[in-house]
Order: sequence, then C-alpha cells, then structure tokens
Amino acid sequence: DGGITQSPKYLFRKEGQNVTLSCEQNLNHDAMYWYRQDPGQGLRLIYYSQIVNDFQKGDIAEGYSVSREKKESFPLTVTSAQKNPTAFYLCASSTQGGPIYEQFFGPGTRLTVL
Amino acid sequence: GNSVTQMEGPVTLSEEAFLTINCTYTATGYPSLFWYVQYPGEGLQLLLKATKADDKGSNKGFEATYRKETTSFHLEKGSVQVSDSAVYFCALSSPLDSSYKLIFGSGTRLLVRP
Repeated sequence: DGGITQSPKYLFRKEGQNVTLSCEQNLNHDAMYWYRQDPGQGLRLIYYSQIVNDFQKGDIAEGYSVSREKKESFPLTVTSAQKNPTAFYLCASSTQGGPIYEQFFGPGTRLTVL
Repeated sequence: GNSVTQMEGPVTLSEEAFLTINCTYTATGYPSLFWYVQYPGEGLQLLLKATKADDKGSNKGFEATYRKETTSFHLEKGSVQVSDSAVYFCALSSPLDSSYKLIFGSGTRLLVRP
C-alpha cells in the first residue's frame, strides 16, 4: 500500500534534548511538508521541500531543522532551541508543489516534553 | 494575509440530521479550497476539494461549493451518521504562495449521537 509513515507515534523528550521525527513516503511525491498542530487549532507549516536536496522555512521554523537527502524521506529534528515543542506533528506530501494538488498526511507523531 | 475562518464547535447532531459547517476565507487571487477530516489520534484525510469558483466538491455524501462572491466554502451533508463524528478542517492553498502550503481554519468538532 502506498502512503506516508511517521515514527514514532509517541515521543517523550527531556528538556534540552534534540529529537528526530521520521517521515517516509512511497507515493513518489516530489513535495513534502511538516506541520505542527496544537490543541484546538489548525495546522501551521514548519518546513517544506519541493525537490530533493532543497527545503525552505515555513511560518514557524525556529527551533526546527530538516533534511531532504532522498525523495522518500523528510526527517524533522526538534532542537532544544524550540521553546514549546509539545505538540502533534504531521508530515504531508503531494505529487508536486501547487495549489491544486492534494496533500496526503501521515498518522502523526505526538511529542511531549517532560 | 490569507486566512480561513470556521464556525466554532462542537457541533452536536442526532443521526440522520442535516449538517452545515460554515467556512469563509480571505485570500488574494484564486485559491484552491479543501475540506479535511481528522479522526481521533490520526492524521488528516482529504474529504473534498474545489479549485475554481462555482466548483462543487463532493465525497461520501459531503458537498461544498466554492463561492467566490461570498468567499465561502461551506460543508454540508444531508444525513449524518455516528461514524461522521470527527474534526473537520477547512483549508486553502494560494497560487501566489510559492510554498503552496495549506492554511487551515481552527477546526470544527462534530459529534453525532445515535
């Protein structure tokens, strides 16, 4: 089955630690996105990549980093510089960048800072 | 900037009732409009979309029409089921934004009682 996988489903982090969230897709999509969801709110864009080896900051990139070394993978690192990292993180992909293209979402990773 | 406003929830209905969830948007140009659904603890699934004015998106009994004159994209269903209980997000993507990110409303929780 084609789709997007995210791991782990739940992640606990101590303050001051960096953690990396995995996102893999086998849809052969060019564009990939990371969003953050806070309770009772919509999603906000952290980073996006429209092609391998290239990525751009979204609206709330501070304290996060990404890489796009392979088409199918777009890992997100939450660094200790992120002041309030507890949230639900969603990875998405689309055939290519463009407003008419549906974004497919993974199941999400819930990150909790202890 | 671009934005999406949804009616606040929760919306509580009895099974077989008529559903309307209001969504209005602010955007320059001609955005594409989407409705996504999120079940508890899961990622988002595309429910329907419309990419130009007067388009009607439909899926699984849900419908929404892209109304440019009222900048609206209200979600409707004639007869809801208990299984429709979820959070519904209205979103837009602008052709003028090179990220083609989705801009989401804050979500509307729907609870359908048997």
